[in-house]
Amino acid sequence: GESVGLHLPTLSVQEGDNSIINCAYSNSASDYFIWYKQESGKGPQFIIDIRSNMDKRQGQRVTVLLNKTVKHLSLQIAATQPGDSAVYFCAERDNNDMRFGAGTRLTVKP
Amino acid sequence: ETGVTQSPTHLIKTRGQQVTLRCSSQSGHNTVSWYQQALGQGPQFIFQYYREEENGRGNFPPRFSGLQFPNYSSELNVNALELDDSALYLCASSLAPTGGRSGNTIYFGEGSWLTVV
Repeated sequence: GESVGLHLPTLSVQEGDNSIINCAYSNSASDYFIWYKQESGKGPQFIIDIRSNMDKRQGQRVTVLLNKTVKHLSLQIAATQPGDSAVYFCAERDNNDMRFGAGTRLTVKP
Repeated sequence: ETGVTQSPTHLIKTRGQQVTLRCSSQSGHNTVSWYQQALGQGPQFIFQYYREEENGRGNFPPRFSGLQFPNYSSELNVNALELDDSALYLCASSLAPTGGRSGNTIYFGEGSWLTVV
């Protein structure tokens, strides 16, 4: 889920394990969603997107799942690596902008 | 590298001053969006420019204004700076407006860190 403020949801995984980051979005009419990765001191980096006419999309080591019934989006990262440590944001299209959640901090333990 | 460049990377301003932040969009991208990201939060939409005109605005006061130039680069201006304006300001570009049918992906620059003291 998402929260507001300095206390980001956190996920800690062992290197090599799979990670699942969850996101609840707000607008049932949203038709386009993106996952971004943000490393410390950098801008958000595009990971993968999905349109509302799909429920699953796969990229390199990443999979996004969309459940429109419960307005839920998830990002699965296979074989998580130390370089995957970052804050992950889901974003939904809202008219002319993308609306972002507060993010989830992923920490990968060696 | 997204091809979106922003300047300056860091700056410190005094409350009440004005600031201008600049952004060059990725080659071929005609749409620029600006976001404010406070510490520990997700980016918040300020406004979007498409073909030199404002094409959508978030919940920010009028002292936040912008421009887009014929080469699609853009400026964000903030007047009468307040302490709460301290944040990372992100510029993002896309091939076409975000609200379009094609759901164009937006690509972010590295941001400008603004501290207001």
